[in-house]
Amino acid sequence: AQKVTQAQTEISVVEKEDVTLDCVYETRDTTYYLFWYKQPPSGELVFLIRRNSFDEQNEISGRYSWNFQKSTSSFNFTITASQVVDSAVYFCALSEPPYSGTYKYIFGTGTRLKVLA
Amino acid sequence: EAGVTQFPSHSVIEKGQTVTLRCDPISGHDNLYWYRRVMGKEIKFLLHFVKESKQDESGMPNNRFLAERTGGTYSTLKVQPAELEDSGVYFCASSQSTVPPLHFGNGTRLTVT
Repeated sequence: AQKVTQAQTEISVVEKEDVTLDCVYETRDTTYYLFWYKQPPSGELVFLIRRNSFDEQNEISGRYSWNFQKSTSSFNFTITASQVVDSAVYFCALSEPPYSGTYKYIFGTGTRLKVLA
Repeated sequence: EAGVTQFPSHSVIEKGQTVTLRCDPISGHDNLYWYRRVMGKEIKFLLHFVKESKQDESGMPNNRFLAERTGGTYSTLKVQPAELEDSGVYFCASSQSTVPPLHFGNGTRLTVT
């Protein structure tokens, strides 16, 4: 069965610290997508990244970086030099092939990140 | 470009009443999705429209929920009659193609008392 686990419910860091948000997934398929979304206090889910299962290259975008390891079924997200504006709930999600014609997201329960000034 | 817009942002109703949630997708996006998060649980898929047709409604919890997308533009999700367990945040999302990523709205927080 498909499942996404975000074991860290809440993390607090002091501004400028680095922080890693963990995401572990389970799937029976060899083809799938992984995602990270940010939910700031406004409530909107903001798309951050999509990674397909055949691309294990790590990605860096500014202070954000993602580490995808198929061997451990993990897709971790690191924020370098965290800022107060990074405070939000972060969701990891998995999407398998569209057997019904629909790419359905399987979400983790989210990690609330608090960055303290 | 305007994002996905949802109305209302918050709704409080009594058990047994009816509530209608509305979603305006990003202009030109044929694919529209409804997801919801009930308290403390994961965000879960409800259904997927391609234009005005329901592609997949396997996540709809029961027949008290009715989703429509007349004309293939905005969508409504009606809950009738509402039950306490329907409380949660209802998200709408849209995409240009069936391949993700999805672009989500701010959600509608529904509270049934």
